[in-house]
This record gives sequence, C-alpha cells and structure tokens, in this order.
Amino acid sequence: KAGVTQTPRYLIKTRGQQVTLSCSPISGHRSVSWYQQTPGQGLQFLFEYFSETQRNKGNFPGRFSGRQFSNSRSEMNVSTLELGDSALYLCASSKLDGNTEAFFGQGTRLTVV
Amino acid sequence: GQNIDQPTEMTATEGAIVQINCTYQTSGFNGLFWYQQHAGEAPTFLSYNVLDGLEEKGRFSSFLSRSKGYSYLLLKELQMKDSASYLCAGITGGGNKLTFGTGTQLKVEL
Repeated sequence: KAGVTQTPRYLIKTRGQQVTLSCSPISGHRSVSWYQQTPGQGLQFLFEYFSETQRNKGNFPGRFSGRQFSNSRSEMNVSTLELGDSALYLCASSKLDGNTEAFFGQGTRLTVV
Repeated sequence: GQNIDQPTEMTATEGAIVQINCTYQTSGFNGLFWYQQHAGEAPTFLSYNVLDGLEEKGRFSSFLSRSKGYSYLLLKELQMKDSASYLCAGITGGGNKLTFGTGTQLKVEL
C-alpha cells in the first residue's frame, strides 16, 4: 500500500511570506503528526491531529498551524516566514491511538531566503 | 518536558557489534522507539519497547529499563549500509507525540 505522501518535496520562500505543506497519511491511519527537523535541534514535534482534532501541540509560535480533513489528509501552515523556519518538515501517520509505530513521509525541504 | 540524551557520533567496524545508548526522564513515560534515518531520507521504524527487557528483531535488538530511564539499541554483524543516524524517541501522555533525541550518527568502516 502507498506510504505517507508529502507535497511539495522542495520549496523556496521569501521572509514574510506564508507557506502551506500537505500530507496524505497511509490509508486507514487517523493520526497525523508534524515534525520540524534542523541540524541543530534535531526532530521537534509541532502538533498531532486525530480525527480532525488537534490532540497535542509542541512549543512553536502561533505562526505554525495545521488542520486535518475528514479523509485524514493534513496541512500545516507557516505564516510570516523567518529565516529560522528553514528546515525539513516531516509528517508521520499512525494507525491507532497512542503507542503505535509512526510512519514518516519523505518530508518537505523548506528554504526561507 | 522530557529530555532524551544519546551520543552524537559513533564509529564501528564492519562485522562488529555496536551499542547505542539512550537515557531519558521517566516522568510520564509510556514507551520508547528507535528509528533509523539515512541522509536525505525519512526516518524508518526499528523497534518499540514499552516493558522492561530485550526485544530482538534480526540483527537489531533494543533494551529498556524503565526504572533507570535507560535504553540501548544493539546492532550486530554491522554492514556498511548501517551507516546512518539512529534516533531514540519517547512517547508520553496520550496520543502519538514523540520526543526525539538529537540522534546518533553511526559510521561503519571497513
């Protein structure tokens, strides 16, 4: 079956712009989590959606937001981009509620210039 | 929050055994995952421990001691393709939120 699909794979944006990233989880998976990965900070949790509801949220400013649709697809949005937002954004889907393996997508490489 | 610590880098020889350690704060801890990530690729699941003890899966084994806040990943019969970053991640509270360590970059040499 198809894995986790993230689009786009690469993105270049200018400071101050906004960006929307998309994630399609594995069919049947209801939980989608987003992570930011940078060389200095490693993988950091942004938020998790389960059945269209945000269930967990990490320590990121309000410029970072997300949502989940009824088909479990998820989007995350970053407004007023800063240079420090340049990172690999990874989406992970899980089948069940808690303590289950997370499957990661290939990520979206965002560069802010 | 939960701090997860693991060594930054390790080097080992092809065919050898290597142990990658991970320590974490035990408060609210529900389970521990190990992921492998090759450069430029997505992390892939290796193992999950929720109870104390050793979980073996082929050349990879993972151990957990909940009382000590300690885990390790054991890789046997190392191959060059095992050169990658190994990520220790804890799950706390409800849901699927993972708190990752910064990863251990393993280099396998001839």
